[in-house]
Amino acid sequence: GAGVSQSPSNKVTEKGKDVELRCDPISGHTALYWYRQSLGQGLEFLIYFQGNSAPDKSGLPSDRFSAERTGGSVSTLTIQRTQQEDSAVYLCATHGVQRESAGELFFGEGSRLTVL
Amino acid sequence: DAKTTQPPSMDCAEGRAANLPCNHSTISGNEYVYWYRQIHSQGPQYIIHGLKNNETNEMASLIITEDRKSSTLILPHATLRDTAVYYCIVRVARSNTGKLIFGQGTTLQVKP
Repeated sequence: GAGVSQSPSNKVTEKGKDVELRCDPISGHTALYWYRQSLGQGLEFLIYFQGNSAPDKSGLPSDRFSAERTGGSVSTLTIQRTQQEDSAVYLCATHGVQRESAGELFFGEGSRLTVL
Repeated sequence: DAKTTQPPSMDCAEGRAANLPCNHSTISGNEYVYWYRQIHSQGPQYIIHGLKNNETNEMASLIITEDRKSSTLILPHATLRDTAVYYCIVRVARSNTGKLIFGQGTTLQVKP
């Protein structure tokens, strides 16, 4: 597609349930990021994938959070045993050519997660 | 990782220039300064980036001080649609890639 696509756009779940959020990057973009944005807050880095390198997971808040990227394309962020504090907008972003000044991220519209 | 400091909020009159400051006093020599903005309920949007020279594009100008410890994003003729949160970030470089860490940003309110 023309842009970064995320699904679902909205997800309401009950505390303790698992959720999966999906990100379809722009074709050919090798770098993919997940960020979280709680209401009224800035963007919190979660995880970063670059090509075939090991992902940078330093931002994942707990072991309930995991992410994978299959075939270097689609990525799935999984939150197990959701808690109310997990409620936020989860944003996916990608960028393309790996060069020194690369950093123009293209963001999706986000997946809004509400944990009741 | 270099950190950035921005004022939490600013106002600007419609049609006037908006000058948004950013301090990044611990920036390293190979780190770039990036600016993004986030309009309410949308994903962030790239504006501009630079290393040491001033940069200009169709959206804005970026002025970086000679010592690179601070920069200013200039929106030359602000409109109501420029009301947004503006993020100044410094790219953490490992090899030739690196994650982008966003701070709290500056909420710019353009007023009629």
